[in-house]
Amino acid sequence: AQTVTQSQPEMSVQEAETVTLSCTYDTSENNYYLFWYKQPPSRQMILVIRQEAYKQQNATENRFSVNFQKAAKSFSLKISDSQLGDTAMYFCAFMKHPTTSGTYKYIFGTGTRLKVLA
Amino acid sequence: ETGVTQTPRHLVMGMTNKKSLKCEQHLGHNAMYWYKQSAKKPLELMFVYNFKEQTENNSVPSRFSPECPNSSHLFLHLHTLQPEDSALYLCASSQGTGSASYEQYFGPGTRLTVT
Repeated sequence: AQTVTQSQPEMSVQEAETVTLSCTYDTSENNYYLFWYKQPPSRQMILVIRQEAYKQQNATENRFSVNFQKAAKSFSLKISDSQLGDTAMYFCAFMKHPTTSGTYKYIFGTGTRLKVLA
Repeated sequence: ETGVTQTPRHLVMGMTNKKSLKCEQHLGHNAMYWYKQSAKKPLELMFVYNFKEQTENNSVPSRFSPECPNSSHLFLHLHTLQPEDSALYLCASSQGTGSASYEQYFGPGTRLTVT
């Protein structure tokens, strides 16, 4: 069974600084997808960034980028130029290739609470 | 806004009550999901519907009863709940079978308190 581990329950960073959130996962699958979701205090989960395992290039979305190390089963999120609006819970999620029914199931980590300080 | 709405946002119910949670998606998706989010635990997938058919039930107690009348609406009927069922219940949707787009879009959740 797949597992996702986020070893940092809480982190803080000064505004405009860079922070890295860690995520490791365990799987025997070769074809899968990884995601980072953000859940602000308003609670609506928003997709931040995704990575397909077959792609060697690390995904980037504006100030958000990942360091995907497939062999090490590591998928960290780097937030550059942190802003107050980045304060949220961040969840790492794993999805293996769809089941025969075609639905897509996530395995989530326990989350990292990030606080951006003014 | 992600295009997924949930009502009510907050619900307090006694253990003998019957209530329902509602989820609606405006994204044209075909798959819908119910998750339970408890403090310090990973999100737990409860149910999955694909084209209105239930495809996953992760050993959820029968006091939770899902209903999916069409691809845009998903309900979670609650009856004789326990205090440990208090949690944030999240609904999500995705394009579903055969789609090249696989990520899920989440609603804001219903904060449920069972007294």
